[in-house]
Amino acid sequence: DQQVKQNSPSLSVQEGRISILNCDYTNSMFDYFLWYKKYPAEGPTFLISISSIKDKNEDGRFTVFLNKSAKHLSLHIVPSQPGDSAVYFCAADWGGGKIIFGKGTRLHILP
Amino acid sequence: KAGVTQTPRYLIKTRGQQVTLSCSPISGHRSVSWYQQTPGQGLQFLFEYFSETQRNKGNFPGRFSGRQFSNSRSEMNVSTLELGDSALYLCASSLSSGGNQPQHFGDGTRLSIL
Repeated sequence: DQQVKQNSPSLSVQEGRISILNCDYTNSMFDYFLWYKKYPAEGPTFLISISSIKDKNEDGRFTVFLNKSAKHLSLHIVPSQPGDSAVYFCAADWGGGKIIFGKGTRLHILP
Repeated sequence: KAGVTQTPRYLIKTRGQQVTLSCSPISGHRSVSWYQQTPGQGLQFLFEYFSETQRNKGNFPGRFSGRQFSNSRSEMNVSTLELGDSALYLCASSLSSGGNQPQHFGDGTRLSIL
């Protein structure tokens, strides 16, 4: 049973536009939510996180929104750049070092 | 500051063998977690160690085990290898556990079972 779901396997966005990646979760006990970015042949790289008590966190071009009532979070990238092309993983933290990952969304930034 | 180092990067084994993978965390990080990544299942949590103690375990059979040493380095062992164990195994470290301490990943060990 998937506790963290990323329903879009891939997404294509024009360079300069906004990229919106979505994630749904089922367990309201998660403390933190995180987004990781992964290039081929490399490990995931931490991007941004949000505490379950907040609804928005911003870091440069990256903003994460959390809607607890809908059990939904999204990552906004503005403006999208060619180097943003990668696989993005949504993750939820149980605490104690256990993180549940979604299956990822492959983002393609088109020239 | 050196990142998380995993060795070896690639490994080929046959069914029934056993394998040990190694992970050196970022200096000062005491929490080490292991994940298995496969195309169909994504990243799945294996276990987490903190101060040489396993604190959390995922839903994997007992063939998967690990340990952590006093210098925080960790090893993962898989015995009686099966074809389905072919995957990328990722190690991640953090200062402690909790989402306010994001995990930093190594580049993984790609294990192929023939």
